Amino acid sequence: SQQGEEDPQALSIQEGENATMNCSYKTSINNLQWYRQNSGRGLVHLILIRSNEREKHSGRLRVTLDTSKKSSSLLITASRAADTASYFCATGGLTGGGNKLTFGTGTQLKVEL
Amino acid sequence: GAGVSQSPSNKVTEKGKDVELRCDPISGHTALYWYRQSLGQGLEFLIYFQGNSAPDKSGLPSDRFSAERTGGSVSTLTIQRTQQEDSAVYLCASILRSGTSGNTGELFFGEGSRLTVL
Repeated sequence: SQQGEEDPQALSIQEGENATMNCSYKTSINNLQWYRQNSGRGLVHLILIRSNEREKHSGRLRVTLDTSKKSSSLLITASRAADTASYFCATGGLTGGGNKLTFGTGTQLKVEL
Repeated sequence: GAGVSQSPSNKVTEKGKDVELRCDPISGHTALYWYRQSLGQGLEFLIYFQGNSAPDKSGLPSDRFSAERTGGSVSTLTIQRTQQEDSAVYLCASILRSGTSGNTGELFFGEGSRLTVL
């Protein structure tokens, strides 16, 4: 079963607006990551937030994590047409020396000019 | 190489044939993952290799699917007697060994192998 579920499934905004995507998960985690996927391509890592962190910033990205609600949000500020892509959250932890990640179903973001 | 390399990028096969998909991880990465992504869907975990440990095969959908990793580097995902429902993009990813200084927990993905079963 999917550990992470993104909301909304699809989002369409105008360039310059902010985009917010949410992710909910079911079990305890050590970290949560957000990835981006352009159509027909592989996934690219955006940001990782650990379970003991509440907020993290990277450029125009802001991620929050609420472990009590088992949810995270990804905010992209001042969106650009080039931000059009699918965004996935992934939850995981350090088990057996590795880092198994379980991905959600994704949010398709379209930024229009 | 500089990134994770997968081949072939596209594969069209007939139902019932066997296929092999190859993944070359980033040099030095000891953990390797295979995921499957159906059209417009999320990623479905298939199998995970970590160093010399026994692989986690819990995501393989049937015994027609198998994977191996030779020499701790290149991995091959084999699908026997392919079915139309096997059509998907198969993504490989690698990660630096956990516990190593600088490991961010980030997975590095290849571009995927698109499999179409007619």
